[in-house]
Amino acid sequence: GAVVSQHPSRVICKSGTSVKIECRSLDFQATTMFWYRQFPKQSLMLMATSNEGSKATYEQGVEKDKFLINHASLTLSTLTVTSAHPEDSSFYICSASLQPNEKLFFGSGTQLSVL
Amino acid sequence: SQQGEEDPQALSIQEGENATMNCSYKTSINNLQWYRQNSGRGLVHLILIRSNEREKHSGRLRVTLDTSKKSSSLLITASRAADTASYFCATQDTGRRALTFGSGTRLQVQP
Repeated sequence: GAVVSQHPSRVICKSGTSVKIECRSLDFQATTMFWYRQFPKQSLMLMATSNEGSKATYEQGVEKDKFLINHASLTLSTLTVTSAHPEDSSFYICSASLQPNEKLFFGSGTQLSVL
Repeated sequence: SQQGEEDPQALSIQEGENATMNCSYKTSINNLQWYRQNSGRGLVHLILIRSNEREKHSGRLRVTLDTSKKSSSLLITASRAADTASYFCATQDTGRRALTFGSGTRLQVQP
C-alpha cells in the first residue's frame, strides 16, 4: 500500500515559537492531503485540506494565519503552527489518498507539546 | 465538524469473543470506512463500504451499512489481545473528499 511519512513524531517547544510538520507521500503523488488534529482520547477533527499548487481550504473555526499550510509539490505538504501556545498542544496527523472516494493513508502523527 | 457517534465508547471483552461497534452518521455519503488506531499512532485503514453496498467482509471483520438508518456496524470475530485499539468509523460525504470521523470505540481485549 501507499506510504505517508510524517515528521517529526514528537516536538516539545516553548510558547511563542513556530513549529513545522512535514507530510510526504513516499511512493505516490498526492494532489490533495488532509490535516487532522486529535486531542487525547478524542476523535480526529479535520483542520484543512491541502491542495498542491493552490491555497489550502480550512475548516470553520480553524485560523489560517495560525496554522499555515503549504503544498508546494505533489509529494510534500507542510503544516506550520505559528506562535504556538499551550492550547495548541495536540496530536496532528496528515493523510492522503491515491484516488478520490478511496481510503486514506495516514502518517504516523506528530505529538506537539507547547510549554 | 464531528459527524456522528459511535457506541459503545468503550468495550472490554475476553479473547475469543466477538466485538461489535456501531456508528451513526447524519448526511448523505459516498462511502463509510473503518479505521484502527493504536495509542499515540497513526490510523490504519480496515475496510471501506460504499453507499450501494450493505455488507462486506475482510478476514475476521464484517461491516454492515444501512443507509436508510444512517448507521453502520463493525464486527470483529474471534478477537485477540492484539485487537486492542481504538476503532473509528469515518464517512466520505457526497461532494466532499475529506473524511469525517466518528467519536470512536476503545476496545480492550483481555488475554
